[in-house]
Formats: sequence, C-alpha cells, structure tokens
Amino acid sequence: EAQVTQNPRYLITVTGKKLTVTCSQNMNHEYMSWYRQDPGLGLRQIYYSMNVEVTDKGDVPEGYKVSRKEKRNFPLILESPSPNQTSLYFCASSFSRGEEETQYFGPGTRLLVL
Amino acid sequence: GENVEQHPSTLSVQEGDSAVIKCTYSDSASNYFPWYKQELGKGPQLIIDIRSNVGEKKDQRIAVTLNKTAKHFSLHITETQPEDSAVYFCAASPSYSSASKIIFGSGTRLSIRP
Repeated sequence: EAQVTQNPRYLITVTGKKLTVTCSQNMNHEYMSWYRQDPGLGLRQIYYSMNVEVTDKGDVPEGYKVSRKEKRNFPLILESPSPNQTSLYFCASSFSRGEEETQYFGPGTRLLVL
Repeated sequence: GENVEQHPSTLSVQEGDSAVIKCTYSDSASNYFPWYKQELGKGPQLIIDIRSNVGEKKDQRIAVTLNKTAKHFSLHITETQPEDSAVYFCAASPSYSSASKIIFGSGTRLSIRP
C-alpha cells in the first residue's frame, strides 16, 4: 500500500528541546516536502526536496532544518523549538512525469511547544 | 513573492447543486495550480490540477478553469454529494509540478446540505 508515514503523531515538548519529526515514503518518489497548518493561515510550505541531498526553502523555513540522505526519508528538525512552532505538520511525497502528478500526504504530526 | 487569495472562506450548497471556489494569484510566472481536499482529521488530498498551457481540465464531477490573463483559477464541483463536504485549498507554483516552492490559498469550507 502506497503511504507516507510520520512519527510521532502527537508530541508535547518544551521550549529549546531539540526534536525531530520523521517522514518516510514507500513509493520511491523523488520529491518530498514539509508543511505546517495553522488556523486562519492555511497550509504553508516549510522545506522541499527534489531528490537526495537536494533541499530548498519553502515559504516559512525559519527555525527548521531538513535533510535528505536517503530517497525514502525526509526528517524535519527543530533545533530549538519555540511556542510559535506549535502547529499541525504534514509531510508529502510526489511524482511528476509530463501531465501526470501523484502526491500523497502523511497523516500529520500535532506539535505543542510549551 | 507569490500571493494566493481564495474565496469564499465558507460555502454551503444544497445536495445536487454546483459549487464554485475561486482563487487569484499575483505572480505571472506561476505555471502549476493544484487543488486539494482535506477531510476532518486527515491530510490534504490532491484532487485535480491544471498547468498554464491548458485553460480547462475535467475529471468526472470536478473541473478546474484557468485564466492566465486575469490570473485567476476556479474549482467547479457539479452534482454535489455529502462526501464533498470538506475544506478545499488552491495553490500556485512557478514550476510545472508540486516539486517546487508552492503557495496555498487560505481554504474554503464546503458544506453540502441534504
């Protein structure tokens, strides 16, 4: 079954304590990306990756890091979380060839930073 | 940078009627315009997309139109059904796929009245 998995699904942490949210896909997709979703602000892209070792900033990259050492994994790292990073986070992977576009989102990770 | 505005923020239609959601974008370099459906408690789902070389695309009850001159695009859902109730997001990207920087609209909550 094609899927994008995220871990953890829920996390409560404190300001300044480094954390990593993992994202893994089993479809061999080249493209992966991270988004955050906040009430009233909709979805905003944090980082995206076009392939292994190729990453770039999205709309709101401040306070986040990513790495793409393997095709299937794209972890999101918060080196020093702050309360304004409390949000719902989604990872996605996608495949594009000509007019064909396939994209899958993970189930989301709800993060609370105290 | 790109800015995407989406209207209306909420929409209620009678089952069987049509629903139309409109988006405008600011960057004339945008080429890829996807639409997403997000059901309660789930991640977004890509439902249809359109590229700048096409004016209209249809998939069963869903259609999307693009007016590059006016920089607006719309989602049309015909013969609405209860399962169409969800939040819908439009987005715009300078590439021809989701594998790039992407900006989302603020979302439309669609409710289908039985």
